[in-house]
Formats: sequence, C-alpha cells, structure tokens
Amino acid sequence: KAGVTQTPRYLIKTRGQQVTLSCSPISGHRSVSWYQQTPGQGLQFLFEYFSETQRNKGNFPGRFSGRQFSNSRSEMNVSTLELGDSALYLCASSLGGKMNTEAFFGQGTRLTVV
Amino acid sequence: GENVEQHPSTLSVQEGDSAVIKCTYSDSASNYFPWYKQELGKGPQLIIDIRSNVGEKKDQRIAVTLNKTAKHFSLHITETQPEDSAVYFCAFLGTQAGTALIFGKGTTLSVSS
Repeated sequence: KAGVTQTPRYLIKTRGQQVTLSCSPISGHRSVSWYQQTPGQGLQFLFEYFSETQRNKGNFPGRFSGRQFSNSRSEMNVSTLELGDSALYLCASSLGGKMNTEAFFGQGTRLTVV
Repeated sequence: GENVEQHPSTLSVQEGDSAVIKCTYSDSASNYFPWYKQELGKGPQLIIDIRSNVGEKKDQRIAVTLNKTAKHFSLHITETQPEDSAVYFCAFLGTQAGTALIFGKGTTLSVSS
C-alpha cells in the first residue's frame, strides 16, 4: 500500500511569490491535515480537509489556504510569501472518522523563501 | 490554549539501555495520544499510540503509559539500538480544534554503540 506522497520535495521561492504544495493521501483515507514544522515553533496544525470540506483550521493567517479534491488529494497554497514561511510542510492522512485517528505523514515539502 | 510539554529535549544513552520520554498535556478531555519518530530528512512516523481507556500499551521494545488524572503520558524504549536514534514527538488530539494533533517540541534521542 503506497504511503502519503508529497510533491515537490523541495522548493525555493522569492518573497512576495505564491506557492502550491500537493499531497496524495493513502488510498481510502478521506482526511488530509497540513502541518508546518520549524525549528522554533515545532509542528503546528494548519488545517484539515475531509470529503472536500475544510473541517478544522489552525491559527495561521489567511495567506495560507487549501483545498481537497474528490479523490482526496489535497493542495495547500501560500500567497505573498514571507521569509518566515520557510519551513517543512507536512501533510498527514487518516481515515477521518471520529475514532479513526491514526495519522500518517508524508516526507514533507521543504520550502525556502529568499 | 492547548499545549503539551515534553522532556527531556535531548537524551543520550548507551546501546542496550532504556530511554524514557515524558509529556504533560493541557486538555483533560483529550482521548488519543500518539508518539512519532522522525529521522533526518523524513516525515514523522507513527510508532505507537494509546487511547484514554487504556493505561498502558506495549509493542515489542516500545511501551506507552498514560495517567489521565495527572495528564501525563510517557514513552519507554527498552534495549535501545543505534537505529532508535531520532527525534521523538508526543502528541495529543486537541478537542478545541477538532481533529488537530497538538505536538510536543520533540526529544532528540542519541544511542551510542
């Protein structure tokens, strides 16, 4: 069974640009959550999508957005990039039911903003 | 807000020793507590989890204990091996943000042979 796939693995962008990251969950999983990992703040929850709807949102500015498609694949978009957005962006997939909480992470996308 | 404190931040042990990592969480309503291992250049890997109706769970050399009254949970690794060297994160399922996992800051475990 294939794991969670994130593309691309690495990205370098300039301040002010926007970026789109992609996540393909484990087959059969309907929930995709996004996390930002930085040395200073650790792992922080961005948002979660379930059946194409945003189910939860963390405490990040509106520049961070996402969506989920009917095949459960998800994309995350960051607009007007700032230097502080440099981080490892991780997505996690799970079955999504109330008791099915095991979340499996992808390898992440390393975003560097210069 | 919801948070979890994780100790120690670094832990060095000799191969064959045991390692213990402890976490204290803020949300007494939480019912799910996973542990993740992250190796360099990789995403976090779920290694064990425990739900609030269980006090202890074991999987080979790894065990997790949960004390809901004290809001503590711990990871125990016995007979450590060099391949156990990694960053370990505790987490709990936040109830304020629905299905979001709230992570500790991580423990860097180094096992020397």
